[in-house]
Amino acid sequence: QSALTQPASVSGSPGQSITISCTGTSSDVGSYNLVSWFQQHPGKAPKLMIYEVNKRPSGVSDRFSGSKSGNTASLTISGLQAEDEADYYCCSYAGTNTIFGGGTKLTVL
Amino acid sequence: EVQLVESGGGLVKAGGSLRLSCAASGFTFSSYSMNWVRQAPGKGLEWVSSISSGTSYIYYADSVKGRFTISRDNAKNSLYLQMNSLRAEDTAVYYCARDISPYCSGGSCYSGGSFDIWGQGTMVTVSS
Repeated sequence: QSALTQPASVSGSPGQSITISCTGTSSDVGSYNLVSWFQQHPGKAPKLMIYEVNKRPSGVSDRFSGSKSGNTASLTISGLQAEDEADYYCCSYAGTNTIFGGGTKLTVL
Repeated sequence: EVQLVESGGGLVKAGGSLRLSCAASGFTFSSYSMNWVRQAPGKGLEWVSSISSGTSYIYYADSVKGRFTISRDNAKNSLYLQMNSLRAEDTAVYYCARDISPYCSGGSCYSGGSFDIWGQGTMVTVSS
């Protein structure tokens, strides 16, 4: 399977909301509620922010939310803060494979 | 504290082998599916392999199939990745990760991508 498609970069000002899209196919994102999102700061391990499309792990701010429509999943970050600046990756179940998106660099202006 | 600690990375020549280890602590290791995920320098994340809690279900990315072998020892709370016939394109940081939501269907279980705990990573460099 091909990687999921994410925009290379997005940006926003503190306090604003941004949305990162993640487009797959009817064989992965479109057919299963098994999309997750990870935040990665430089030199650090990824951190799970959203799983099963819209569930937040304990300790993750409710400023982070996930959704899905058809073959596209989305991560929305509201009330942007400086510490949200990082790379974000989506991930989806795809049968015998698990596939990631190419990553999106979020810049907080 | 829930923790995963990888080890075993290093510099190896193309065609060589390495065995990575991942030591788990702070949770019931035998109850969780585990995965290896890698990240080449400056690149994105790539899923490598998964193994179910009881080792019944094992899967590999096409890029490593036939060369890498995932295994686990639940008595030792440890996950392993045996990497043979290494190539330059295998150069990456290798992370082990716990899966909290594997997908089970038709008598098989697969990685669900819900990786909630990650190790700090171990660097593997393959020289050509």
